[in-house]
Amino acid sequence: GAVVSQHPSRVICKSGTSVKIECRSLDFQATTMFWYRQFPKQSLMLMATSNEGSKATYEQGVEKDKFLINHASLTLSTLTVTSAHPEDSSFYICSARQPRGASEAFFGQGTRLTVV
Amino acid sequence: GQNIDQPTEMTATEGAIVQINCTYQTSGFNGLFWYQQHAGEAPTFLSYNVLDGLEEKGRFSSFLSRSKGYSYLLLKELQMKDSASYLCAPTRDYKLSFGAGTTVTVRA
Repeated sequence: GAVVSQHPSRVICKSGTSVKIECRSLDFQATTMFWYRQFPKQSLMLMATSNEGSKATYEQGVEKDKFLINHASLTLSTLTVTSAHPEDSSFYICSARQPRGASEAFFGQGTRLTVV
Repeated sequence: GQNIDQPTEMTATEGAIVQINCTYQTSGFNGLFWYQQHAGEAPTFLSYNVLDGLEEKGRFSSFLSRSKGYSYLLLKELQMKDSASYLCAPTRDYKLSFGAGTTVTVRA
């Protein structure tokens, strides 16, 4: 089956620095990828939809200047958490679907971000 | 918006059957996913329903009623490894929104 690879799996950064998370579709072209955030014992919350070659669409309440998304190719989307703060510590997960009509959304392995 | 409701926790015995219900209110509904998630890991795909009815896949089955905004996931012959969180995810415009998840604990 299709595979989505996310990197890094874990990252610890200092408060005020920026962190980039990569999401790659390994054997299919994903024109759309999704970024989620999950706090402990809570559900996945959709942050934004990443569209290849155009601007990302952010969900209500998500700061687009803080969570920069770039989808420069059909197989790669990146999420950059800028000026990270301890409250940004969370589990970030990307997903991708094959072209419309496909029946499964594939998830990356997730990135555990800890801001100290 | 979407209102997704599923029970918070369920406990069952090894070898038993458990049914996890999910109700939702989603405009522009495309279909509904069920995912399994173990603590600290990414979700794993279980099923996807677009049409009304029951989809059976080994020990796991999923049912959908679009008119009622209702789905359930049926887990049969429970095993200890089935202890996990189960996420109901209706889709709108091909975007998945997740319920809070149901934590299933399987006891020997």
